Amino acid sequence: DAGVIQSPRHEVTEMGQEVTLRCKPISGHNSLFWYRQTMMRGLELLIYFNNNVPIDDSGMPEDRFSAKMPNASFSTLKIQPSEPRDSAVYFCASSLRESQPQHFGDGTRLSIL
Amino acid sequence: RKEVEQDPGPFNVPEGATVAFNCTYSNSASQSFFWYRQDCRKEPKLLMSVYSSGNEDGRFTAQLNRASQYISLLIRDSKLSDSATYLCVVNRDDYKLSFGAGTTVTVRA
Repeated sequence: DAGVIQSPRHEVTEMGQEVTLRCKPISGHNSLFWYRQTMMRGLELLIYFNNNVPIDDSGMPEDRFSAKMPNASFSTLKIQPSEPRDSAVYFCASSLRESQPQHFGDGTRLSIL
Repeated sequence: RKEVEQDPGPFNVPEGATVAFNCTYSNSASQSFFWYRQDCRKEPKLLMSVYSSGNEDGRFTAQLNRASQYISLLIRDSKLSDSATYLCVVNRDDYKLSFGAGTTVTVRA
């Protein structure tokens, strides 16, 4: 079975550029999560979608970050404009229902120069 | 106080040894508990859920102590492939998971 699929795997770009991260959750999962992981702060929940609807975006750092889920099989996380402090690994995860274990994608390693 | 606290380690053990470590959580209302493992530069992967009665999965045993609010993981007959960071995960609300910072285990030949 296909797991959570994220793209790109790596992204290196200059500050000020727009960055778009993509995620395809596991088919049939109705909950989708975006996380950010850094050495200093560990894993942080950015936003949670349930049935394609954003339920909790309290973890989104600031207005430069936005996320969408236009359908059950696709979500994007956008950073515009990007800054060096956004450099991190961004994970997408999905679960069958909101209280079930979450399954993570391979992550996107983002470097903002 | 952090919601989930773990001993960061590292725990350096020889192959075949038993290694055990705990994590503590602060929210007494938590209902779901998990251990994830994360290899270097990889994604977290679910190792096992933790049930009130304790549970085993092969060489791995997880225990939950609600009264003292801690979870433990024991690895028997450790293998080189067990080297990883083990994340203690506790739900805060129905969907929010709190991740510990991880305990690093290194198994040496």
